Amino acid sequence: EPEVTQTPSHQVTQMGQEVILRCVPISNHLYFYWYRQILGQKVEFLVSFYNNEISEKSEIFDDQFSVERPDGSNFTLKIRSTKLEDSAMYFCASRVLKRYEQYFGPGTRLTVT
Amino acid sequence: AQKVTQAQTEISVVEKEDVTLDCVYETRDTTYYLFWYKQPPSGELVFLIRRNSFDEQNEISGRYSWNFQKSTSSFNFTITASQVVDSAVYFCALSEMGGGTSYGKLTFGQGTILTVHP
Repeated sequence: EPEVTQTPSHQVTQMGQEVILRCVPISNHLYFYWYRQILGQKVEFLVSFYNNEISEKSEIFDDQFSVERPDGSNFTLKIRSTKLEDSAMYFCASRVLKRYEQYFGPGTRLTVT
Repeated sequence: AQKVTQAQTEISVVEKEDVTLDCVYETRDTTYYLFWYKQPPSGELVFLIRRNSFDEQNEISGRYSWNFQKSTSSFNFTITASQVVDSAVYFCALSEMGGGTSYGKLTFGQGTILTVHP
């Protein structure tokens, strides 16, 4: 069964460094999402991406964040200058057209020191 | 604005007990979807069920059942004869689809930690 994959599973970085989190959505899916979950808290929406552009973003998704679909398979989240409060689990998700359940990857745990 | 409330922070049961997880939602849209996701200790988010706002038919799938009531804005989830493997965090989520401006973002509740003891 096809699944969403994410790399790396765990990333440790120093404050102020740039990180790129990578996702490979399910191949026939058209909508892509990033969410984050701070330890012990709820899952929060960051951004949605459709037709090669951002379709919706949350207040959390400020200028330090960007997303890209550099080729037909990868979907990346870049955090330009990481802060301590960016430490969280980051989930990628995708879905097909006209079906609204999203399928999530296993997550990347980002630790900013 | 959409909001999901899961008032139960933690539930602890003994194996074979039935358990119901509560979910109350708020939305101004008439067209929306409700979901339950399971997050086991390994951390991934597993899709369990989707319901749209026009379908109030309750569903049973094996030991799982869902009760959707628009009149009370609730979408509750019951596990019958719970098992240790059901131990996880369960999230209720809402996606507004009305107005043509939504691309399906999910708004999650705080989650309910379910622990099933042997």
